[in-house]
Amino acid sequence: GAVVSQHPSWVICKSGTSVKIECRSLDFQATTMFWYRQFPKQSLMLMATSNEGSKATYEQGVEKDKFLINHASLTLSTLTVTSAHPEDSSFYICSAEPKSYEQYFGPGTRLTVT
Amino acid sequence: QQQVKQSPQSLIVQKGGISIINCAYENTAFDYFPWYQQFPGKGPALLIAIRPDVSEKKEGRFTISFNKSAKQFSLHIMDSQPGDSATYFCAARISGGYQKVTFGTGTKLQVIP
Repeated sequence: GAVVSQHPSWVICKSGTSVKIECRSLDFQATTMFWYRQFPKQSLMLMATSNEGSKATYEQGVEKDKFLINHASLTLSTLTVTSAHPEDSSFYICSAEPKSYEQYFGPGTRLTVT
Repeated sequence: QQQVKQSPQSLIVQKGGISIINCAYENTAFDYFPWYQQFPGKGPALLIAIRPDVSEKKEGRFTISFNKSAKQFSLHIMDSQPGDSATYFCAARISGGYQKVTFGTGTKLQVIP
């Protein structure tokens, strides 16, 4: 099956710093990837759709300048949380879609901002 | 209209019992309904999915029942096992490439020995 990886699996950063999260499709090419955010005991909320070679499409209410998305290649998308604050602490999950139109999710990245 | 409502929020079932999770949707444009299983600290994993042209789909101990007229679908886990303890999300989307997935609110299932 299709495999999506994320790095790092968990990260702790200080308030005001930036942190980058990588999402890779390991055995398929993904022109589109999705970034989700999940708070404890809650559902997944779509943040943005990442498109290779073009600008990401952000969901309503998601700050584009705070959550920078770069889809530099067909197998890599990155999410950078800029000037992180404690309220940005969350579980960030990416997904990618091979041609079969089934979305496969990464293992997630736990971000803690102190 | 984009919401997918899911119930119950939590569920405790004895080993060997049947776990039932229900979902309802409003958007009639949805035509693909996956269920995801998520363990703590992990990403969701696709469990089983159904299209509205069938009323039931079974894979092993997992069965989806679909009622198109009522815009409802449910997941049945037969012979529930402690290893099934996880959070389950129903979802809905428009099929075709690169469409958003709308998730339900999740059901935390605990299967007790």
